Amino acid sequence: QLVLTQSPSASASLGASVKLTCTLSSGHSTYAIAWHQQQPEKGPRYLMKLNSDGSHSKGDGIPDRFSGSSSGAERYLTISSLQSEDEADYYCQTWGTGWVFGGGTKLTVL
Amino acid sequence: QVHLVESGGGVVQPGRSLRLSCAASGFTFSDYPMHWVRQAPGKGLEWVAVISYDGSDQYYADSVKGRFTVSRDNSKSTLFLQMNSLRAEDAAIYYCANAHVWGQGTTVTVSS
Repeated sequence: QLVLTQSPSASASLGASVKLTCTLSSGHSTYAIAWHQQQPEKGPRYLMKLNSDGSHSKGDGIPDRFSGSSSGAERYLTISSLQSEDEADYYCQTWGTGWVFGGGTKLTVL
Repeated sequence: QVHLVESGGGVVQPGRSLRLSCAASGFTFSDYPMHWVRQAPGKGLEWVAVISYDGSDQYYADSVKGRFTVSRDNSKSTLFLQMNSLRAEDAAIYYCANAHVWGQGTTVTVSS
C-alpha cells in the first residue's frame, strides 16, 4: 500500500535552516512526490515536484530558500534562512489512483 | 494570473445534497486533470476525486465512492462536485486543484 509518512512537528529558529522528511512506503522508493505549504487559515500552495534522483521543479514564485533532495525512499524539503511566514503545515503528496497525502508536518519558527 | 475559485459550500442536513463549483482562469483548463481535496477541521488533507482532462475518466476515494460525482464543463472552465447522501464526516473545507494550483476552498457543514 502506498503510504507517505511525515513527522507531525518540527521547529527551528528564525534565520536557521530546517529539513523536513517524507518517507515512501516499502516498494515505492522510486516515486516522485510534491511538497505543498499551508499557512495558517489559508489554502495549500504548491511548492515543488521532487523526483527520486533529487531533481526538482518549483512552482511559480517559490523562493530559492526552498529546495528539495532525495535519498532512497526519503524525500526532503529544506528551508533555509527561515522567516516567520514559513511557519506553516507542510504536506508531501504522491500519485496513486488519485493523490496520496502524508499526514503533514507542522513547522514552528522560534 | 492563474486562479481557481470554489463556491457552493454551506450548511446542509445529513442525507441531503450539495453541489460545489470551481471556476478556473489564467490557464488552459481543458489541458489538465482536476482534483477535489478536502480538509476536516483540525485535520490533514484528504484527496476526494479526480477527473481526466476531457472528463472521460473519474476516480474517487473509498470514503465518497457511490455518493459523490465529479464532472467538468471545459467550455466554461468549470469543475463540479455533486455530493449526495451527505454525512457528518463529510464536513470540511473543499479545495479544487490541478498539478500546481489550489483554490482558496469552500466550507461544507453537515448538521441537523
